[in-house]
Amino acid sequence: SYVLTQPPSVSVAPGKTARITCGGNDIGSKGVHWYQQKPGQAPVLVIYYDGDRPSGIPERLSGSNSGNTATLTISRVEAGDEADYYCQVWDSSSDHWVFGGGTKLTVL
Amino acid sequence: QVQLVESGGGVVQPGRSLRLSCAASGFTFSSDVLHWVRQAPGKGLEWVAIISYDGSNTYHADSVKGRFTISRDISKNTLYLQMNSLRAEDTAVYYCARALEGIAVAPLDSWGQGTLVTVSS
Repeated sequence: SYVLTQPPSVSVAPGKTARITCGGNDIGSKGVHWYQQKPGQAPVLVIYYDGDRPSGIPERLSGSNSGNTATLTISRVEAGDEADYYCQVWDSSSDHWVFGGGTKLTVL
Repeated sequence: QVQLVESGGGVVQPGRSLRLSCAASGFTFSSDVLHWVRQAPGKGLEWVAIISYDGSNTYHADSVKGRFTISRDISKNTLYLQMNSLRAEDTAVYYCARALEGIAVAPLDSWGQGTLVTVSS
């Protein structure tokens, strides 16, 4: 089955740039979606199809996808960005959705 | 606006059954792909199942295949998850979610608040 690998944690100072990676075999050929989840809340879609942003999501959040790695980039990090972030793809070979293990973003 | 409200969670003994419901409103229920996603306490998100707009196609995660069944009642605007032969490892918050568009690859742009299922003797 298809596996997505994320770092368990990323730490960044306010105002700096955070990059959260999502690794998978030839993930660049798939559409990657990213979700933000804060404690006690349901996930929120923040990036879809690699780099599109839903309405209401700030431009500070962006995504890219190539080769074996997709990346969620958060520029000018704010305290409110502190959350768990999950990448996700549809694995057409198994007709299954797959989530990465999640990355906890800590704002120092 | 889109609203998804899950219900039916609770404490259940191992081996027993439970049916979750997700009441939908604010969109054309008969046109959208829907999912169940779960999250064990302190753990990450795990996809459970997907159902096509008309219910004709369903897929389930290997961890629940043969035990769980996703279905929908268009007349009631309600999504269901029938869970049989429950195990301790099925303990989780269960979310229903709507896909942005009517294809399997589409992202989930609307989520319910979740309902907690605890499997314990």
